[in-house]
Amino acid sequence: RKEVEQDPGPFNVPEGATVAFNCTYSNSASQSFFWYRQDCRKEPKLLMSVYSSGNEDGRFTAQLNRASQYISLLIRDSKLSDSATYLCVVNPFGGYNKLIFGAGTRLAVHP
Amino acid sequence: DVKVTQSSRYLVKRTGEKVFLECVQDMDHENMFWYRQDPGLGLRLIYFSYDVKMKEKGDIPEGYSVSREKKERFSLILESASTNQTSMYLCASRSGLGIAETQYFGPGTRLLVL
Repeated sequence: RKEVEQDPGPFNVPEGATVAFNCTYSNSASQSFFWYRQDCRKEPKLLMSVYSSGNEDGRFTAQLNRASQYISLLIRDSKLSDSATYLCVVNPFGGYNKLIFGAGTRLAVHP
Repeated sequence: DVKVTQSSRYLVKRTGEKVFLECVQDMDHENMFWYRQDPGLGLRLIYFSYDVKMKEKGDIPEGYSVSREKKERFSLILESASTNQTSMYLCASRSGLGIAETQYFGPGTRLLVL
């Protein structure tokens, strides 16, 4: 079983749609969680950290469910510019340890 | 803004060649990382470095070595390139800790080994 698993997609949605991605992780003791965004042929960039209580940043909402070991990302009112691959990222051990990256979920927003 | 630069965007090398990939960051970060990214596999950690002259193996270190002689520079070395090392190589540096952590990536080097 992979340490971090994501549905690869692609998710094809029209502008204005709401779309949600889930990501599961295998280590129940994992400490920190993130969503990174990667545009086509570009480097990944941090989109948002995921707090235990859930957090929102504009149209983006991240949730953590420790009991079921998954995190989610909800995008409301999708824009063409949201088209990208979204990487689920976990720090299983906390502190200055390595991050584990999921393979990513591709989102394509069309007019 | 944090800037992470990599020495080449594209490289073509022959099997058996020694390959150097360089990464420089300008934010005085202590931690730096080398990943490779392949379709369907995501980013996999090759090596990382906590500080100058310190290195730790990641998940796939075989066939690679690293050098960190100065804080801002972290080099990845392919001792004898092989075709299965054809990939996108991404360097990153880290700021913050725990939930406040951010990794800043360079633009990547696409390496083709013939």
